[in-house]
Amino acid sequence: AQSVAQPEDQVNVAEGNPLTVKCTYSVSGNPYLFWYVQYPNRGLQFLLKYITGDNLVKGSYGFEAEFNKSQTSFHLKKPSALVSDSALYFCAVRRRGDDKIIFGKGTRLHILP
Amino acid sequence: GAVVSQHPSRVICKSGTSVKIECRSLDFQATTMFWYRQFPKQSLMLMATSNEGSKATYEQGVEKDKFLINHASLTLSTLTVTSAHPEDSSFYICSASIIDTYEQYFGPGTRLTVT
Repeated sequence: AQSVAQPEDQVNVAEGNPLTVKCTYSVSGNPYLFWYVQYPNRGLQFLLKYITGDNLVKGSYGFEAEFNKSQTSFHLKKPSALVSDSALYFCAVRRRGDDKIIFGKGTRLHILP
Repeated sequence: GAVVSQHPSRVICKSGTSVKIECRSLDFQATTMFWYRQFPKQSLMLMATSNEGSKATYEQGVEKDKFLINHASLTLSTLTVTSAHPEDSSFYICSASIIDTYEQYFGPGTRLTVT
């Protein structure tokens, strides 16, 4: 069965410091991987995706993620956090040939001024 | 591009009534639409997948007679919560995808409160 694990319920980072939000997955084959962000009472906004090619993917708002096949991870990173980055972040996976996206439980990111 | 809207954004209804939520793809034709439910501080739970002109495919544990999904056109899908109960109160989010692409585009969500 497909699954996505976000081991941290919450991550606190001081503004200006680098941030990492962790994600590991369990999916057969080579999946598509995604990160989404959700602000309070809003839908999901797409941040970035990995389909194929370069393992380091750059996305919106200065975020990037690194696909690590051997560790089945897709951690989200940003070199310098902003207070406005505070939100709920979801890692998601989609198996090739399947329409469905499976979401992790989400990680709440708090950027401290 | 790839904007998905939902209407209403917020609705309050009484127990036993039905409420309809619309999901529209505004600038593209969506071959597939998805309906999710999100409980407070939890992840999105996929309820069903719908393709235009065919019956929706419901996930295990989701009552198809209670959550009626209609995908009448390539730009519109509706979710009707029938005989609503307070435990149906939740945040409902739809998404849409385009054939042969990788992403789903999400609507802004609808907050349903059943009193």
